Amino acid sequence: EAGVTQSPTHLIKTRGQQVTLRCSPISGHTSVYWYQQALGLGLQFLLWYDEGEERNRGNFPPRFSGRQFPNYSSELNVNALELEDSALYLCASSLTLGQYSNQPQHFGDGTRLSIL
Amino acid sequence: AQTVTQSQPEMSVQEAETVTLSCTYDTSESDYYLFWYKQPPSRQMILVIRQEAYKQQNATENRFSVNFQKAAKSFSLKISDSQLGDAAMYFCAYRSFYNNNDMRFGAGTRLTVKP
Repeated sequence: EAGVTQSPTHLIKTRGQQVTLRCSPISGHTSVYWYQQALGLGLQFLLWYDEGEERNRGNFPPRFSGRQFPNYSSELNVNALELEDSALYLCASSLTLGQYSNQPQHFGDGTRLSIL
Repeated sequence: AQTVTQSQPEMSVQEAETVTLSCTYDTSESDYYLFWYKQPPSRQMILVIRQEAYKQQNATENRFSVNFQKAAKSFSLKISDSQLGDAAMYFCAYRSFYNNNDMRFGAGTRLTVKP
C-alpha cells in the first residue's frame, strides 16, 4: 500500500512569490491535513480537508489556503511568501470513520520550503 | 484549548539501555487519545504508540511502552533496549475524542542513541 506522497520534496522561493504544494493521501483516506513545522518547533496545524470541503483551519493568515480534489488529493497554496514561511510542510491523511474514531494520521515525507 | 508540553528538547541514551521521554498536556475533556510519533532524519512521521484515555492499562508496542497518568495529565514514553535506529525526533500528540480531527503536537524531543 502506497503511503502519503508529497511533491515537491524541496522548494526555494523568494519573498512575495506564491507556491503550491501537493499531497496524495493513502488510498481510501478521505481526510487530509496540512501542518507547518518550522525549524526547532513542533507541528502547527494549518488546514483540514474532508470530502472536498475545508473543515477546519489553524491560526494562520488567509494567504495560506488550499483545496481538496474529488480524488481526495490536496493542494496547499501560500501567497505573498514571507521569510518566516520557511519550514517543512507536512501532509497527513486518515480515515474518517465517524466522530469517535481512534484512527491515527499517516504522514508524508514533507516539502521543505526555503524562502530567500 | 488543549496544549501539549514536552519539557525535554534533547535526550541521550546508550545503546541497549532504557530512556523515558516526558509529555504533559492540558485539557478539560475527559475522553481523548494520546499518541507518540517518531520523526527520523528521513522526515516522515511514524506512529509509535497510541493510548485511549478511557483505558487504564498502559499501551505497549514491543520495546515501546507508555506511562499514562490521567490525573496528572502525563503521558511518558519508555524505550527499552534502545537501538541506533531509535534516534529521531519524538512528538507527543493529543487528539480530542469529540473532534477526532483536532490534533495538537508538542514541540518534540530529539533522542540521540550512543553506540
